[in-house]
Amino acid sequence: NAGVMQNPRHLVRRRGQEARLRCSPMKGHSHVYWYRQLPEEGLKFMVYLQKENIIDESGMPKERFSAEFPKEGPSILRIQQVVRGDSAAYFCASSPLGDEQYFGPGTRLTVT
Amino acid sequence: KQEVTQIPAALSVPEGENLVLNCSFTDSAIYNLQWFRQDPGKGLTSLLLIQSSQREQTSGRLNASLDKSSGRSTLYIAASQPGDSATYLCAVRRNFGNEKLTFGTGTRLTIIP
Repeated sequence: NAGVMQNPRHLVRRRGQEARLRCSPMKGHSHVYWYRQLPEEGLKFMVYLQKENIIDESGMPKERFSAEFPKEGPSILRIQQVVRGDSAAYFCASSPLGDEQYFGPGTRLTVT
Repeated sequence: KQEVTQIPAALSVPEGENLVLNCSFTDSAIYNLQWFRQDPGKGLTSLLLIQSSQREQTSGRLNASLDKSSGRSTLYIAASQPGDSATYLCAVRRNFGNEKLTFGTGTRLTIIP
């Protein structure tokens, strides 16, 4: 059973471009979570999704950020018009029925 | 609002020593607590999960305890090895139905050969 997959592992975007981060949960997991780790800071919750539903987006910035988890395919975290402050490591986690969360390797976004 | 604190922020110990990492949280109404390790530039590896009804969990050289009423957890590492060098994070989940984890800022552990 492969672990949580994230791609790309590293992403470089210029200010104003869009960033799309993908997360494939572990097989059989229907719950996906996104966290952000800013430089020298701890991980902060962003959003919790189940298939086709956003359950909790209390940690998402109000503008430019969106997330989805379609019926088919990976979960996508989308950042529009990126700014330097968006540079961070973005981690995805998955769980079956909301139990122990298993984390992916992360996507490191650099905005130049 | 739940706040999770880990002290110390960094710790260096000689190889072979036993050590304890600390985690405290302000809201004792938790569902479970997880300990993770994070290697530089890598993701998180789950080490131990303790449910709110449990007092401790053990895996190999690792033992995690939970005192929910006082808002504390400890991670005990026995006979430390250089491969244990990493950042250790604790995270709490508030209650069933509230899925998000609140993380501490971590303890950066260095084992000196």
